[in-house]
Amino acid sequence: AQSVTQPDIHITVSEGASLELRCNYSYGATPYLFWYVQSPGQGLQLLLKYFSGDTLVQGIKGFEAEFKRSQSSFNLRKPSVHWSDAAEYFCAAAASGGYNKLIFGAGTRLAVHP
Amino acid sequence: EPEVTQTPSHQVTQMGQEVILRCVPISNHLYFYWYRQILGQKVEFLVSFYNNEISEKSEIFDDQFSVERPDGSNFTLKIRSTKLEDSAMYFCASSETGTDSPLHFGNGTRLTVT
Repeated sequence: AQSVTQPDIHITVSEGASLELRCNYSYGATPYLFWYVQSPGQGLQLLLKYFSGDTLVQGIKGFEAEFKRSQSSFNLRKPSVHWSDAAEYFCAAAASGGYNKLIFGAGTRLAVHP
Repeated sequence: EPEVTQTPSHQVTQMGQEVILRCVPISNHLYFYWYRQILGQKVEFLVSFYNNEISEKSEIFDDQFSVERPDGSNFTLKIRSTKLEDSAMYFCASSETGTDSPLHFGNGTRLTVT
């Protein structure tokens, strides 16, 4: 069955520290991959997406993610975290062909210490 | 930037009652979706809608659920006879062209069934 796994439920980092949020997927073929962020009381905002091509993708707010086929992973990174990055982060996947039906991971809640 | 808007932000209803969740997608978008997130669980796909008909639905979307685009701007999710387990955050989303354009999510409606 298709699935997306985010192994870390909660992560706490200090402001200015680097960040990596993990995401693994299980699909028959390489899916389209996404990272969304949800701030309290807000909807889901798309940070970045991977369809094909360059395995390192850049997104908004200084985030990037790297697709690694051999590890079935699509980890999200940011070199220096800001207090405003505190939010919940969701990895999601869709069968190649597009966005129509996203399968989400359970989410990782990020706390940022000053 | 155009937004998907959902009303109300919080709805409380009694078990067995009908509830209608409302969404106004972005005006030039053609594809519409409902997702839900039960507290502490993953965001789950419910249904996609295009050209005035359901294009795909999940096994969650049983006969108790229906969707409608009653006019040119609104997109609604109706739950005919609510159950306690329908308590969740319901997200509406829209996209411009479906398979190759990103989903824009609303802020969600928190449904509480008592």
